[in-house]
Amino acid sequence: AQSVTQPDIHITVSEGASLELRCNYSYGATPYLFWYVQSPGQGLQLLLKYFSGDTLVQGIKGFEAEFKRSQSSFNLRKPSVHWSDAAEYFCAVGARAAGNKLTFGGGTRVLVKP
Amino acid sequence: DGGITQSPKYLFRKEGQNVTLSCEQNLNHDAMYWYRQDPGQGLRLIYYSQIVNDFQKGDIAEGYSVSREKKESFPLTVTSAQKNPTAFYLCASSRNQETQYFGPGTRLLVL
Repeated sequence: AQSVTQPDIHITVSEGASLELRCNYSYGATPYLFWYVQSPGQGLQLLLKYFSGDTLVQGIKGFEAEFKRSQSSFNLRKPSVHWSDAAEYFCAVGARAAGNKLTFGGGTRVLVKP
Repeated sequence: DGGITQSPKYLFRKEGQNVTLSCEQNLNHDAMYWYRQDPGQGLRLIYYSQIVNDFQKGDIAEGYSVSREKKESFPLTVTSAQKNPTAFYLCASSRNQETQYFGPGTRLLVL
């Protein structure tokens, strides 16, 4: 069975500083990988996804993520955080062989200090 | 304007009552999904449907039921058998079972 771990429950970062959110997954084959962002009381918005090919993927809002097969990781990064990036971020892994059922990590809440 | 709509935004359930959450999409997506989100937790899959008139249980299907009579619609019923229904419910859809796109959610509260 697939699983996803986001080790950091909360991260506080100053506006303008860089941000990295960690994601580790467990899956027996090459997974689909996703990062979503959720503002309070809202649905999830897709930031970026990895299916195959280039292991560094670019997403919306200036985010990028790097797939590292050897480390089973898919960490999310942003060079310079804006106050509007304060939200909860979810990493998810999709099972190609089972209708792409998504398994989500527990989420990382990002707080941005002025 | 394409997208996924969920209604109502807030729903209140009385003891022993069944309630139905609506999910509609006009994206022409084949697959649809229901997730439950509890505070401070990730999403857990309740049910999913890959085609009309077919659906499968997810990880936490007990106390819930669904139907998929139309491609655009995938309503979720929270039955009285679900003893802890208070949560945020999210519907999603995808084309070719790849990227899932989410609706705005319904918050269910117990009176």
